[in-house]
Amino acid sequence: GNSVTQMEGPVTLSEEAFLTINCTYTATGYPSLFWYVQYPGEGLQLLLKATKADDKGSNKGFEATYRKETTSFHLEKGSVQVSDSAVYFCALTHRQGAQKLVFGQGTRLTINP
Amino acid sequence: DAGVTQSPTHLIKTRGQHVTLRCSPISGHKSVSWYQQVLGQGPQFIFQYYEKEERGRGNFPDRFSARQFPNYSSELNVNALLLGDSALYLCASSDQGAGYGYTFGSGTRLTVV
Repeated sequence: GNSVTQMEGPVTLSEEAFLTINCTYTATGYPSLFWYVQYPGEGLQLLLKATKADDKGSNKGFEATYRKETTSFHLEKGSVQVSDSAVYFCALTHRQGAQKLVFGQGTRLTINP
Repeated sequence: DAGVTQSPTHLIKTRGQHVTLRCSPISGHKSVSWYQQVLGQGPQFIFQYYEKEERGRGNFPDRFSARQFPNYSSELNVNALLLGDSALYLCASSDQGAGYGYTFGSGTRLTVV
């Protein structure tokens, strides 16, 4: 079946550091890939998405590239801020059939000033 | 524009009781999905509804049921509550299906004692 594996957290960085959160997936066909972010006490917010191989999703300085050859969708940001502290979830879905999101376990990110 | 709204925000129930959670999607969104997020884990898919019809069901017992109304709002019902049902229940809506990204509500925090 479909599954998503994220790098284990928690991840702690200093402000302005470079961020990478690894995400790999197992799926049939060509899924759509997403990064969602969850701030304390809130629901999930869509951060970025990519719907086909080699697509690059970007938003708020975050980027991720859909790599079919390595089945990966790693999240990167060049210079993190304290306000980026949150839990990040990688997810996939297929646009046909049961349109459910399959999530990774989440990576807690803490940025220290 | 109002986002996805869920009610109540918090709820405490006793084992064996029944609970109803409510969700109003973004105006114009015809697809609603429900997810369960246990503390420290990624959300797990429970149901998807589109145009009042069930389009997908996750691996949850029959104690869980849902429905979608003509105005596209939705209810999630859980019977015979167990301690393990304690979680954040998230509702998400979409106008084009999961492949284009869902918008999530802030969730209902259910505690079963």
